[in-house]
Amino acid sequence: AQSVAQPEDQVNVAEGNPLTVKCTYSVSGNPYLFWYVQYPNRGLQFLLKYITGDNLVKGSYGFEAEFNKSQTSFHLKKPSALVSDSALYFCAVRDTSNNAGNMLTFGGGTRLMVKP
Amino acid sequence: EPEVTQTPSHQVTQMGQEVILRCVPISNHLYFYWYRQILGQKVEFLVSFYNNEISEKSEIFDDQFSVERPDGSNFTLKIRSTKLEDSAMYFCASRRDAGANIQYFGAGTRLSVL
Repeated sequence: AQSVAQPEDQVNVAEGNPLTVKCTYSVSGNPYLFWYVQYPNRGLQFLLKYITGDNLVKGSYGFEAEFNKSQTSFHLKKPSALVSDSALYFCAVRDTSNNAGNMLTFGGGTRLMVKP
Repeated sequence: EPEVTQTPSHQVTQMGQEVILRCVPISNHLYFYWYRQILGQKVEFLVSFYNNEISEKSEIFDDQFSVERPDGSNFTLKIRSTKLEDSAMYFCASRRDAGANIQYFGAGTRLSVL
């Protein structure tokens, strides 16, 4: 069965500093990996995905993530955090092995707090 | 930008009552999903729907739950007899087609069962 772990409930970073939100996953087959962000009273908003190809993927609002197969990780990064980046971030995986279906399995979420 | 819309934003109901949560997926999308998030817990998959039938469902999606696409735009989740433990945020999502990988989510409906 597929699973996702986000080991940090909250990440605090000062504005202008780099940020990293960690995610590790477990699947039977090859993973499709996603990051979503949730602002207050809003839905889950797609940020970026890894399907195949380059391990470093770039997404919305200057975010990027690096797929690391050997470490089964897909950490979210941004070189310079903004206060407006403060939100709840979810990592998700879809297992592409046979019979795995097409549902997403989510991590528990990490709250990012960027302070001025 | 097209969005998935969900109504109502908050539903309060008494235990044992039936509730219907409504979703309008993005108009040209073909795959539809319901997920839920109990307060403080992970977002969990409930069911996926394609071509007017359920394609997958989780263990959570028992006989008390049903989904329907009654017309060309709405996608509903019905809970026949609500229980206290059904209290959660329910998210609807849609995906364009088999070649697309991104699921787009609505803002959710918070269901409170009293």
